[in-house]
Amino acid sequence: DAMVIQNPRYQVTQFGKPVTLSCSQTLNHNVMYWYQQKSSQAPKLLFHYYDKDFNNEADTPDNFQSRRPNTSFCFLDIRSPGLGDAAMYLCATSRATGTGGSPLHFGNGTRLTVT
Amino acid sequence: QKEVEQNSGPLSVPEGAIASLNCTYSDRGSQSFFWYRQYSGKSPELIMFIYSNGDKEDGRFTAQLNKASQYVSLLIRDSQPSDSATYLCAVKWAGGFKTIFGAGTRLFVKA
Repeated sequence: DAMVIQNPRYQVTQFGKPVTLSCSQTLNHNVMYWYQQKSSQAPKLLFHYYDKDFNNEADTPDNFQSRRPNTSFCFLDIRSPGLGDAAMYLCATSRATGTGGSPLHFGNGTRLTVT
Repeated sequence: QKEVEQNSGPLSVPEGAIASLNCTYSDRGSQSFFWYRQYSGKSPELIMFIYSNGDKEDGRFTAQLNKASQYVSLLIRDSQPSDSATYLCAVKWAGGFKTIFGAGTRLFVKA
């Protein structure tokens, strides 16, 4: 089945120690997104790629970076995680065009704990 | 500032009743509207989307859109305990790919 896969499901890192979360997709979608979701809050868009075109949200901290080496893969790098970065990180994809606005297809998420 | 607002709930309904979930959004440039269901600790899953004024039905679910009032709702008929989850409203704006979410409404269906 075509899908969005995130690894790992659970990630524990130490305060200030860089961490990378990965996402892959077999849907061949042009657009890939990273969202951060804290408990009982809305998923917050960090950035998205349209093909290789990177779009950063204005309020995304510089501590968060992303790479998309090819259509299938996208990475979220947190350079110096703080306690406030503990959250669920959601990767999603969508088609660039299509009737109805192209819904998001989510991976299972990575739960990040910062100790 | 594009915003999506939902009543956080919790909304509690008995099994078999109709659950009504509401969402308002701030920008008239909005194009497409989505309802996602999210179980605790899981990622959101799409229930349905709507982009034209009026109603759209899919099984037990009906989405209603009123662009003039900047309002979208989701009705769940014959609610089941398995419908207990957080329901996220999401809005995509024309001319881009950004999708903004509301904080969600927690629904409890009592058996």
